[in-house]
Amino acid sequence: QKEVEQNSGPLSVPEGAIASLNCTYSDRGSQSFFWYRQYSGKSPELIMFIYSNGDKEDGRFTAQLNKASQYVSLLIRDSQPSDSATYLCAVNVWGSQGNLIFGKGTKLSVKP
Amino acid sequence: SQTIHQWPATLVQPVGSPLSLECTVEGTSNPNLYWYRQAAGRGLQLLFYSVGIGQISSEVPQNLSASRPQDRQFILSSKKLLLSDSGFYLCAWSVSGDSYNEQFFGPGTRLTVL
Repeated sequence: QKEVEQNSGPLSVPEGAIASLNCTYSDRGSQSFFWYRQYSGKSPELIMFIYSNGDKEDGRFTAQLNKASQYVSLLIRDSQPSDSATYLCAVNVWGSQGNLIFGKGTKLSVKP
Repeated sequence: SQTIHQWPATLVQPVGSPLSLECTVEGTSNPNLYWYRQAAGRGLQLLFYSVGIGQISSEVPQNLSASRPQDRQFILSSKKLLLSDSGFYLCAWSVSGDSYNEQFFGPGTRLTVL
């Protein structure tokens, strides 16, 4: 069974620090990887996706992928209180016709 | 730009009553469409997806059904709601043929079954 694992948290970091969110996946056929941010009571918002090994940067966000270790992470630099949310990791398996497998999410709290 | 709408935003229904949730997408043609449910303390569960009008694939057998009567309209239904149907229902879309499968979510419908 395809699984995506995340530490549920809460992960608490001070304002201005780097927040590191981690995700592991079980299916070696996984091809693309997504990070969604979900504020309490709201729907998930796509913030980044990555499909090649290495790093991908977008503003304060950096996604890191290591397919050999089946590991994907999200770094948030200069964390702000507005970054406080649950972060969902999702994985797409090639040819699965759109079936993203989601982790249960890591709750991040950024303290002022 | 593309926009996805869902309604109603919130719904309180008694056990045994019917359900109809609607999702529409603007600004794109022939999208892939998805229904997910997010129950309290649980992850996102894919319920149905559709790659075209009248084409529905079910991921989880249960008392829910889905239909796609128009290209950009996706409906989730039930004839008789159960307590366990409570949750946050999310519609999502992706570009047809996008092999990376970026999915974008609507605002969701929060359903409480009493």
